[in-house]
Amino acid sequence: EAQVTQNPRYLITVTGKKLTVTCSQNMNHEYMSWYRQDPGLGLRQIYYSMNVEVTDKGDVPEGYKVSRKEKRNFPLILESPSPNQTSLYFCASSPDRGIQYFGAGTRLSVL
Amino acid sequence: DAKTTQPPSMDCAEGRAANLPCNHSTISGNEYVYWYRQIHSQGPQYIIHGLKNNETNEMASLIITEDRKSSTLILPHATLRDTAVYYCIVNRNQAGTALIFGKGTTLSVSS
Repeated sequence: EAQVTQNPRYLITVTGKKLTVTCSQNMNHEYMSWYRQDPGLGLRQIYYSMNVEVTDKGDVPEGYKVSRKEKRNFPLILESPSPNQTSLYFCASSPDRGIQYFGAGTRLSVL
Repeated sequence: DAKTTQPPSMDCAEGRAANLPCNHSTISGNEYVYWYRQIHSQGPQYIIHGLKNNETNEMASLIITEDRKSSTLILPHATLRDTAVYYCIVNRNQAGTALIFGKGTTLSVSS
């Protein structure tokens, strides 16, 4: 089954404790992306990747890092999480940047 | 800012057709119209897209007016599981790397 898998689904952490949210897709898509969704602000792109070892900033990249060492994986790294990064996060992959396939989401709370 | 206008909410009886309108009067000639939906904080789900012609797939039909200034998403036989926020999307962020999700239409299907 074609899918985008994110882990964990729920995470509660404390300010400053490094964390990684994993994302994996099995559709051999070159394009992958991370979004955050906040009430009233909609979905905003954090980072995207056009292919292995090719990543770039989206609209709200501050406080986040990503890597793309393999085509299927695109982890999101928060080196020093802060409360303003409490949000619902989605990973997506796409064959053409128009039709995007989203993961189930990761709800992060930073205390 | 999003270039689409959708009603904030709509109701539909189970088994009836749900017709969701979208106005995109400033759409450019090469911009596609995409429809996604999001069921209660799950990842957005791609439904359908089109450029000029009407499109149909197993989920829905998309009717685009001849002048391309508006479109309608049709769910032919709505079920309770179709209750969701429906997004009509035509534009991307400044870098062109992400579709911009606006506020969408909350469709409530009731029995």
